[in-house]
Amino acid sequence: SAVISQKPSRDICQRGTSLTIQCQVDSQVTMMFWYRQQPGQSLTLIATANQGSEATYESGFVIDKFPISRPNLTFSTLTVSNMSPEDSSIYLCSVRTGGQETQYFGPGTRLLVL
Amino acid sequence: GESVGLHLPTLSVQEGDNSIINCAYSNSASDYFIWYKQESGKGPQFIIDIRSNMDKRQGQRVTVLLNKTVKHLSLQIAATQPGDSAVYFCAEKITGNQFYFGTGTSLTVIP
Repeated sequence: SAVISQKPSRDICQRGTSLTIQCQVDSQVTMMFWYRQQPGQSLTLIATANQGSEATYESGFVIDKFPISRPNLTFSTLTVSNMSPEDSSIYLCSVRTGGQETQYFGPGTRLLVL
Repeated sequence: GESVGLHLPTLSVQEGDNSIINCAYSNSASDYFIWYKQESGKGPQFIIDIRSNMDKRQGQRVTVLLNKTVKHLSLQIAATQPGDSAVYFCAEKITGNQFYFGTGTSLTVIP
């Protein structure tokens, strides 16, 4: 499996500001995803990060709020824009390698918005 | 969309006993399932997976059982250890890219 790192690991932010989360993988991966995990809940897919093109967003998530970049096969960023306390959550990067279906997760970024 | 749910939100077991964590799924067309372990402050960690053409798969101290007739998935942990304390999620692949995750079961191992 790939080794996935995320930066920052946690942050406390003021409402109205934006935070960019980075996801770095130690090898090239075919697919990268961003998930949100709200306190005490399960994982919700935000979007699929597509290399060199716009991300594919799930229902309820929009590009203006969660812009995503994926410039190459090992790196992606997720920005949480114009934050409100409701955005307090864990944000997780996930990848698939080769032709496999198995998804692996990064350690997560714990965001608290005041 | 389809959903995945867990029968028990919390489970406490004595150290050394076996643990069984259950998961119900509703999409009969799902063909791939994964169990994840999430320790406090960490991301989900892959434990074991199973395809729909199998009904049982074993790993190190873990066994996953799949009953397609009743759309039920279970994770068995043998000789549960304190390090097994975590939240366990089942995930169901419903389309090429989409997984749905269950709500999670919190396992506490009592020394």
